Amino acid sequence: DAEITQSPRHKITETGRQVTLACHQTWNHNNMFWYRQDLGHGLRLIHYSYGVQDTNKGEVSDGYSVSRSNTEDLPLTLESAASSQTSVYFCASSAGQGNYEQYFGPGTRLTVT
Amino acid sequence: TQLLEQSPQFLSIQEGENLTVYCNSSSVFSSLQWYRQEPGEGPVLLVTVVTGGEVKKLKRLTFQFGDARKDSSLHITAAQPGDTGLYLCAGGVKLTFGTGTRLTIIP
Repeated sequence: DAEITQSPRHKITETGRQVTLACHQTWNHNNMFWYRQDLGHGLRLIHYSYGVQDTNKGEVSDGYSVSRSNTEDLPLTLESAASSQTSVYFCASSAGQGNYEQYFGPGTRLTVT
Repeated sequence: TQLLEQSPQFLSIQEGENLTVYCNSSSVFSSLQWYRQEPGEGPVLLVTVVTGGEVKKLKRLTFQFGDARKDSSLHITAAQPGDTGLYLCAGGVKLTFGTGTRLTIIP
């Protein structure tokens, strides 16, 4: 069965370190998204991609970067982790081409100390 | 930016009762989606509504899209403990999410 996976599921890191969160989908979806979820803010879009080599900034992109070298993967990098980036991160994908229904991964809980 | 407001933020009711939660916006959406999220998991798509005035049923859950495509509602009949979770509406090409309704069904 097609799925979307994230790794690691839990991560503790120190302020200033670079961190990369992995997202892998086997739906063969064109579109991929990264969100963060915090109490009181709901899900906020960080970055998104509509296809290989395409990346775009979302609502809260400062301090984050992504790259899309293939259809299946969209890794999220925190260049220099900050305590404000402690959150739960979700990756999602959608088929695109008028179909915006998104399928979410299980999330990564990141703690920056 | 298209904003979605959900109400109520929190709802706690007894098993067997009926409830309605709302998703409102000042913007028109071509479609709206409803997701349910359980603790420690990602949101799971429940339904997509596309046509103004559309009503969709999923067992005991009834979803309605407003005629003007600016609002939506979710009605649950005879709520069960398994309905407990965070209900999120979302719309737009990049999926703007509402802040959600946290529903607790008390056995």
